[in-house]
Amino acid sequence: EVQLVESGGGLVQPGGSLRLSCAASGFTFSVHWMHWVRQAPGKGLVWVSRISSDGSDTIYADSVKGRFTISRDNAKNTLFLQMHSLRGEDTAVYYCARQDYVDVDYWGQGTLVTVSS
Amino acid sequence: QSVLTQPPSASGTPGQRVTISCSGSTSSIGSDSVNWYQHLPGTAPRLLFYGNNQRPSRVPDRFSVSKSGTSASLAISGLQSEDEADYYCATWDDGRWVLGGGTKLTVL
Repeated sequence: EVQLVESGGGLVQPGGSLRLSCAASGFTFSVHWMHWVRQAPGKGLVWVSRISSDGSDTIYADSVKGRFTISRDNAKNTLFLQMHSLRGEDTAVYYCARQDYVDVDYWGQGTLVTVSS
Repeated sequence: QSVLTQPPSASGTPGQRVTISCSGSTSSIGSDSVNWYQHLPGTAPRLLFYGNNQRPSRVPDRFSVSKSGTSASLAISGLQSEDEADYYCATWDDGRWVLGGGTKLTVL
């Protein structure tokens, strides 16, 4: 069974940093591209970033480019999102998701990040 | 503002048929397949359709999709209370994965 479990969310002050993790199991993590998607309170799902299977290719939404870094450790079946210079508008539930060929199929249950003083 | 446009809300009574539209552009829906997701608050979003019209076996055949040009739509027939959720379309646009703004479906 495919499982994606996010962790690392919490309360952080504006300008602070946070590192999210996504532990993958039930599939061969190293062959799949992976994504981060977020949902602000009362808003819809918004794509954040994507990483290729070997980690060599990454892409970001304009809203987080230069502040967030996506990475992965295929030996530990774990996806990461390092977030710096956090702003109030980054407050959201962050989901990791798996891509199979060109389709994003499985998602985790999310971890909440709250940026507030 | 999302690259893909969905109505913010839709509603229907049990047994009815409802449709949810998704409007894009030549570089998004016009160039790639559209996926659809169902999302209940506090849970993981669930894939309903991929590759334009492929449905995972666990998804009831009450759900169907169509696509024409730069628009796509999701239809739910025989509406049930358990269908009350948020629905999102998604596709690729210039290397980025994009989602619609979401449609909140209410079963009256």
